[in-house]
Amino acid sequence: AQSVTQLGSHVSVSEGALVLLRCNYSSSVPPYLFWYVQYPNQGLQLLLKYTSAATLVKGINGFEAEFKKSETSFHLTKPSAHMSDAAEYFCAVSGRNTGGFKTIFGAGTRLFVKA
Amino acid sequence: DAGVIQSPRHEVTEMGQEVTLRCKPISGHDYLFWYRQTMMRGLELLIYFNNNVPIDDSGMPEDRFSAKMPNASFSTLKIQPSEPRDSAVYFCASSFGQASYNEQFFGPGTRLTVL
Repeated sequence: AQSVTQLGSHVSVSEGALVLLRCNYSSSVPPYLFWYVQYPNQGLQLLLKYTSAATLVKGINGFEAEFKKSETSFHLTKPSAHMSDAAEYFCAVSGRNTGGFKTIFGAGTRLFVKA
Repeated sequence: DAGVIQSPRHEVTEMGQEVTLRCKPISGHDYLFWYRQTMMRGLELLIYFNNNVPIDDSGMPEDRFSAKMPNASFSTLKIQPSEPRDSAVYFCASSFGQASYNEQFFGPGTRLTVL
């Protein structure tokens, strides 16, 4: 069984400040992990994904995430927030040999960026 | 490519009416997913297809929901009869390939309101 927990339904940062969005996962098989972003009135789009090639994954728009197996975490960071980063962010997990293609999404974290 | 196309973008209907949501996946993609997004339950996978064949419909809430994929370029999600609790944003997504780490491309969604 797989699950994802995103800590904090809302996060507020000032423009230029560090962005940290937390995600912990549970998986009975080696996981694939994703971060998707959803802008208002749009569908989700992929920011980055972990597929075991490297534990530090770089994505679009300056975001990156680090896979930490010992902590079962996959937190998303960006050194300096921009107003355009305001959106909802979803962490997701899927697995190898899970017998299907189900990707389990977290509840989402809405990021607010203050000027 | 135009991306995943969904229609209509907004649908308002009365309880008891039939609702049909439509999706055109990205050309060449062999997986198609239907999701429902609500504030209470987040993003839920309803059903997914591989090469037009339904693979897992365990997320379909009840018999009032049905989905079809008559060909590689078109899918429908039907609700009959509709109820107010079906109000949500419905997303269609598509992906290519056999790996569960492949990116899913989401459409803009259909916002359904059942009065």
